[in-house]
Amino acid sequence: DAGVIQSPRHEVTEMGQEVTLRCKPISGHNSLFWYRQTMMRGLELLIYFNNNVPIDDSGMPEDRFSAKMPNASFSTLKIQPSEPRDSAVYFCASSFSLSSQDNQPQHFGDGTRLSIL
Amino acid sequence: QQQVKQSPQSLIVQKGGISIINCAYENTAFDYFPWYQQFPGKGPALLIAIRPDVSEKKEGRFTISFNKSAKQFSLHIMDSQPGDSATYFCAASWNNNDMRFGAGTRLTVKP
Repeated sequence: DAGVIQSPRHEVTEMGQEVTLRCKPISGHNSLFWYRQTMMRGLELLIYFNNNVPIDDSGMPEDRFSAKMPNASFSTLKIQPSEPRDSAVYFCASSFSLSSQDNQPQHFGDGTRLSIL
Repeated sequence: QQQVKQSPQSLIVQKGGISIINCAYENTAFDYFPWYQQFPGKGPALLIAIRPDVSEKKEGRFTISFNKSAKQFSLHIMDSQPGDSATYFCAASWNNNDMRFGAGTRLTVKP
């Protein structure tokens, strides 16, 4: 079974550039999550989609961050303009849930390691 | 704010020993408690999970013990193996979009 697929695996870019991270969730899953992992703050939820609709983006750090899910099989997380403090590992996860109260396992991709110089 | 506190930060165990990682939570509305295992360069992978209607769940060498009144839960790894060396995260959630993770425990199992 194909798991959650993220691209690119590594991204190094200069401050001020636009960065786009991509995610393909597991087929049939209806919930998609973007997380950021750093040594200082651990795993933080950035945004959550259910049935392609953003439900909770309270974790998005600031207006420089945006996320879209144009269809059930694709999502992007964009940072524009990027800053050195955005350097982290960004994970996408997906799950299938019947409702927002239905806790189900989240399946993570292998992440994108982002370095902003 | 961190609502799940995990300890220890790092743990070294001899092969064949028992690894124990503890977590405590604050929000009594949490009703789902998964443990994730993460290897370097990989994403967290679900290891085992428990809901508060049971006090213990066992899957192979991995056991979750859950104490609802104390708001604590722990992961026990029996007969620890070098291949178990990884970072372990506890988590807690009360709905599908609000999962809070512990800070992680780096486990090293020495041969």
